[in-house]
Amino acid sequence: EDQVTQSPEALRLQEGESSSLNCSYTVSGLRGLFWYRQDPGKGPEFLFTLYSAGEEKEKERLKATLTKKESFLHITAPKPEDSATYLCAVQFIQGAQKLVFGQGTRLTINP
Amino acid sequence: DTAVSQTPKYLVTQMGNDKSIKCEQNLGHDTMYWYKQDSKKFLKIMFSYNNKELIINETVPNRFSPKSPDKAHLNLHINSLELGDSAVYFCASSHSSVPLETQYFGPGTRLLVL
Repeated sequence: EDQVTQSPEALRLQEGESSSLNCSYTVSGLRGLFWYRQDPGKGPEFLFTLYSAGEEKEKERLKATLTKKESFLHITAPKPEDSATYLCAVQFIQGAQKLVFGQGTRLTINP
Repeated sequence: DTAVSQTPKYLVTQMGNDKSIKCEQNLGHDTMYWYKQDSKKFLKIMFSYNNKELIINETVPNRFSPKSPDKAHLNLHINSLELGDSAVYFCASSHSSVPLETQYFGPGTRLLVL
């Protein structure tokens, strides 16, 4: 069965302390991978789409990368406002436009 | 301007009741979705409509019935509510049903069944 796993479940960093979040998938055929940010009590907010291994996308302090089996969301010099849950979602070739989400990584940035 | 909106934001009801959640998008998108986010934060797709036509119907109890009166609206009606239906329900929309279209989510409806 196609699955998406994110790690760690929760991550606490000090402001300015860079780190990476992981999204790994077992899949029969990957069509694309999406990163979303979700703030408490709100809906997921789109960040990036990655289509093929080796691709990278950047937005402010965030950079997403993709390999054949996993994606990383790198956070450089984070600020408290980067605190949120980061969700990874995969679209499989067999699944049309259906997104399969991981359980998310809850990121807290302490000032 | 709210792109994808849902009403109500909170819904507290008794077991056995019937309730509806409404979703509207003003993005001009053709495709709309319902997702359920459980207590462990997993988001799972329930239904998808493209131009009022049902295109995704995951393994969801028959008590859940989506209705799309037009392509800007997708409502979710739930009959005979059960405790396990308590969750956050998100509506989303995308430009089309073509793969890899970005899905934009609403703010969610928090349903609590007592």
